[in-house]
Amino acid sequence: DVKVTQSSRYLVKRTGEKVFLECVQDMDHENMFWYRQDPGLGLRLIYFSYDVKMKEKGDIPEGYSVSREKKERFSLILESASTNQTSMYLCASSLRIEYTEAFFGQGTRLTVV
Amino acid sequence: AQKITQTQPGMFVQEKEAVTLDCTYDTSDPSYGLFWYKQPSSGEMIFLIYQGSYDQQNATEGRYSLNFQKARKSANLVISASQLGDSAMYFCAMREAGTASKLTFGTGTRLQVTL
Repeated sequence: DVKVTQSSRYLVKRTGEKVFLECVQDMDHENMFWYRQDPGLGLRLIYFSYDVKMKEKGDIPEGYSVSREKKERFSLILESASTNQTSMYLCASSLRIEYTEAFFGQGTRLTVV
Repeated sequence: AQKITQTQPGMFVQEKEAVTLDCTYDTSDPSYGLFWYKQPSSGEMIFLIYQGSYDQQNATEGRYSLNFQKARKSANLVISASQLGDSAMYFCAMREAGTASKLTFGTGTRLQVTL
C-alpha cells in the first residue's frame, strides 16, 4: 500500500516562528503536493514538486516555501508563521502521469497563536 | 489556468436513494484527468473514481459513476443506493497532462445521508 506520512497530526506554534511540516512517501512517486484546507474554500494548492529539487508555485504560495532534497521527502516551510496560516495542511504524492490518483497523508492541523 | 467549480455546498439524500454531485471544470488542455475524492469526518482523503478526457465511456466503480459530458465540461459524481456511511465531503479535482501538472480541487460538497 502507498503510504504518505506527515510528521505531525497537531501542531501549535507562536506567531513569527519558523515552522517545518514534513511529508514522506514510500512509493517512489515523482510528484508531491502541499495543500491547505479551510472550510468553504476546499483544498488550495500551495506548492508542488515534480522531481527532486524541482518546485512550482501553486495558487497560494505567499508566506510559504518548500524543499525537496530527496525524492521521498517534501517539506513545507512557514518562514514566519502568522495567525492566518492556522489551517489543516495536507500532503499528497502521485506518479507523474495524469491519469493516476494522488495519495494523501493524514493531515497536520496547525494552530498559530 | 485550470479551474474546478462545485456549486452545491451541501446536499441531503435519503438512504437507498441516488444522488448527483455536480462538478464543472475549465481547461484549454485537450488531455486531462478528472478525479473524485471522499473525505469523511475522520479527515482522510479517499480516492473514488477517475475519468480521462479521452475515455469514451463514463467511469464506474461499484456504486459510484461519473457522468462525463465533455462538451459541457462537466464531470458529475453519481452515488447510487446511498448509505449512511456515504455522509462526507466530496471533492472534484482535475489534473492536466505534462510534467509539471498540478492537481486542482474544487471547494467540495458536503453530503448528508438521512434515514
